[in-house]
Amino acid sequence: SQTIHQWPATLVQPVGSPLSLECTVEGTSNPNLYWYRQAAGRGLQLLFYSVGIGQISSEVPQNLSASRPQDRQFILSSKKLLLSDSGFYLCAWSWASGEETQYFGPGTRLLVL
Amino acid sequence: AQSVTQLDSHVSVSEGTPVLLRCNYSSSYSPSLFWYVQHPNKGLQLLLKYTSAATLVKGINGFEAEFKKSETSFHLTKPSAHMSDAAEYFCVVSDPSSSYKLIFGSGTRLLVRP
Repeated sequence: SQTIHQWPATLVQPVGSPLSLECTVEGTSNPNLYWYRQAAGRGLQLLFYSVGIGQISSEVPQNLSASRPQDRQFILSSKKLLLSDSGFYLCAWSWASGEETQYFGPGTRLLVL
Repeated sequence: AQSVTQLDSHVSVSEGTPVLLRCNYSSSYSPSLFWYVQHPNKGLQLLLKYTSAATLVKGINGFEAEFKKSETSFHLTKPSAHMSDAAEYFCVVSDPSSSYKLIFGSGTRLLVRP
């Protein structure tokens, strides 16, 4: 079976500091991978998706970037965090076959102070 | 353009009574439709999915949803609420412009009273 992991679970960072959130998937090869942000009281916003190693599509201009250094690893980064980067970050995966269902990780709560 | 509207931001029911969470969608084609549940500080869990097969879809934990094309609705129901059902529920529609994108509703928070 497939599992998806995210870490850390919770992170408190000062404004202007760097960020690195990691997501890994087990039990599948060449998945599509996604990063979402969920701001307090709001819905989900797709930030990035990737269909393969080194292939990243950005959905919204922002202070964040994503990388996929390995097949089942997806990293969300920032060089300098803003207060507005606070939120709940969710990683998800889907089958590469075009199946639309996405399966979500447990999330990372980020608080920027 | 595709969109999804969850008609209630909050729904409150008593334990043991039926649950109805309403969702309407707008789509120029036959979409795939999903319901996800999110417990506090957790990720989203897939409850069920409609993909143009049977219009009544059964999901996990006793939930089901009925696709009604004439009403462009995909309401989520459960005959008897349990305390553990208290969570936020998202209705989601596929985006025909990309198999990689889902369009999320704004969510309905379900409160279950003892």
